[in-house]
Order: sequence, then structure tokens, then C-alpha cells
Amino acid sequence: AQSVTQLDSQVPVFEEAPVELRCNYSSSVSVYLFWYVQYPNQGLQLLLKYLSGSTLVESINGFEAEFNKSQTSFHLRKPSVHISDTAEYFCAVTLRGGNTPLVFGKGTRLSVIA
Amino acid sequence: GAGVSQSPSNKVTEKGKDVELRCDPISGHTALYWYRQSLGQGLEFLIYFQGNSAPDKSGLPSDRFSAERTGGSVSTLTIQRTQQEDSAVYLCASSFHRGTAEAFFGQGTRLTVV
Repeated sequence: AQSVTQLDSQVPVFEEAPVELRCNYSSSVSVYLFWYVQYPNQGLQLLLKYLSGSTLVESINGFEAEFNKSQTSFHLRKPSVHISDTAEYFCAVTLRGGNTPLVFGKGTRLSVIA
Repeated sequence: GAGVSQSPSNKVTEKGKDVELRCDPISGHTALYWYRQSLGQGLEFLIYFQGNSAPDKSGLPSDRFSAERTGGSVSTLTIQRTQQEDSAVYLCASSFHRGTAEAFFGQGTRLTVV
């Protein structure tokens, strides 16, 4: 079965600094990968996803993630964070074309400091 | 509806009582998920419904947990003989097709067992 590891439970970072949230997955077959974000007191919403094609995917608010098959990673990056990026970020994986659920990591709490 | 709707938003119950949590998915979505979110534990998969297929119940933590989906739409998650460790936020999500499309989440039901 597939699994997801988010290596950092909390990441504090100063405003306008770059950030990387790490995600590694384990699967013996091809996967789809997702990053979801949960802002304080709100529900989860999709940030970006990798299904196929270009391994670099971007969100509308400046985040990007790169699918690295050899390292089984899908790290999330932003070159300059804002206070409004403070949230919990979840990496998720599901098997391509299979009947398997969307499996989430334990989440990384990003705190942006002014 | 405009989004995934869950009710109640908050539920406090006494240990040993049964509870029912309701999820109204987005109209037309064939896939429906239940997850449990506990502090520091990320999103724990509970059960998955896809169209008329048999549900994937592999994530249910015990036989006190069950779920049904009537008419391919509304779903009810039932927890019998609640225990304090059942306290968590229960999240419902729906999508057009698992693995390839975005999963839309409800706001969740916060269950507190006292």
C-alpha cells in the first residue's frame, strides 16, 4: 500500500524568506500526487497536483512542487512567503488508475513570522 | 449544492453513546471519502465509496465504526458506543473520480466524547 511521509511537523520561517516543505511517498507503482492546504479554522483545499506530464507544477499563489520519481519525492516550495501562507500543508498520494484511497501525510504546520 | 456539507458542525456526546455524522457531497460526485483528523495525526482514511462499487472499508479503526451511502448521494458515518479516543474532527470529501480529480472537503464535524 502507498504511504506518505512529511518529514517536518512544524516549519517556522520569516516573511519573504524561501521555504521548502518536504514530502516523500512510498509506492511500487505509478501515482498521482497532491498538496492540500488548511488555513486556520478552515477546511482543506487543493493547492496543486501532479497527474502526468511536466514534473513541475505550480499553484496560483506562488507555490510549486516537483515530482521526482527517482527520489520518490514531491517537495513543496515557495521563493518568498507571506504572513497569509501560515497554514497546515498536507501531501497526499493515490495510485494511478487503481481503486485506492487518497492517503495523506501527517501534515506540516508552516508559521510565517513577521 | 455549492460544496460538501457536513452536519452537525460540532457534537458533544457522552462516552458509550452512539453518534451519527452526516455528509452531503457535491451533486454529481461519484466518489465520497470519510477521514478523521486528530491533532498531530494528520488525516486518517476511514472509508471510501465509489459509485455502486462495494465501499473500501479498510481504514475503519474498529467494528464500532460503520458508514453507508444512500442512493449514491448522502452518507452517514455511525460510531457506536463512543470512546474518548474517538474525539476528533471527522471530514468528508467528494470528487468526480478518485485519483484523477480534485477532492472537495467539507468543514468537518468536531466530535468530543466526554
